[in-house]
Amino acid sequence: GENVEQHPSTLSVQEGDSAVIKCTYSDSASNYFPWYKQELGKRPQLIIDIRSNVGEKKDQRIAVTLNKTAKHFSLHITETQPEDSAVYFCAASQGGSEKLVFGKGMKLTVNP
Amino acid sequence: KAGVTQTPRYLIKTRGQQVTLSCSPISGHRSVSWYQQTPGQGLQFLFEYFSETQRNKGNFPGRFSGRQFSNSRSEMNVSTLELGDSALYLCASSFGSSGDTEAFFGQGTRLTVV
Repeated sequence: GENVEQHPSTLSVQEGDSAVIKCTYSDSASNYFPWYKQELGKRPQLIIDIRSNVGEKKDQRIAVTLNKTAKHFSLHITETQPEDSAVYFCAASQGGSEKLVFGKGMKLTVNP
Repeated sequence: KAGVTQTPRYLIKTRGQQVTLSCSPISGHRSVSWYQQTPGQGLQFLFEYFSETQRNKGNFPGRFSGRQFSNSRSEMNVSTLELGDSALYLCASSFGSSGDTEAFFGQGTRLTVV
């Protein structure tokens, strides 16, 4: 089955710096790659997603890139702010099912 | 519109007991998926229901089961509870038609087994 690896597991940056989270997946049939942000004690919330027919997608300060050949995708956050501090999860899924396979998560700390 | 609602929010159970958790999806969503979240294993997929049918199942023992009703509400049941079942149980709802639609999570049910 699908396996998603995520790294690093923790990242600490200064406010205004950029942060990059990388994920790899194993199943070439996966075609949907969402990213979730989970603040302490709260539910995971989708921040951006990308489908396999697109190589890059941007939404204000966040962007995601996908390399299908290498089977990896990355989340880029620019101009980080303290409210970006949270755990970020990448995930992958295949068509025909809503099953999401998640990476282990990355705890981002943005220091003011 | 109302989000995904899970009840109860917190549960404390004793080893050997059973428990039932409930999830009400967003109106119009036909798919409900369940996940177990623990500090060590992260978010792990339990199962997905679509139009009252289990469409996919994760690698959990048979003690974990679920069902979905005609109004798309879903329940999951865990029998013969073990200490290791202590976790946050999250459900997620989506339209479910193509497998690449946004999944909205509920607040979760925090289960503690003592």
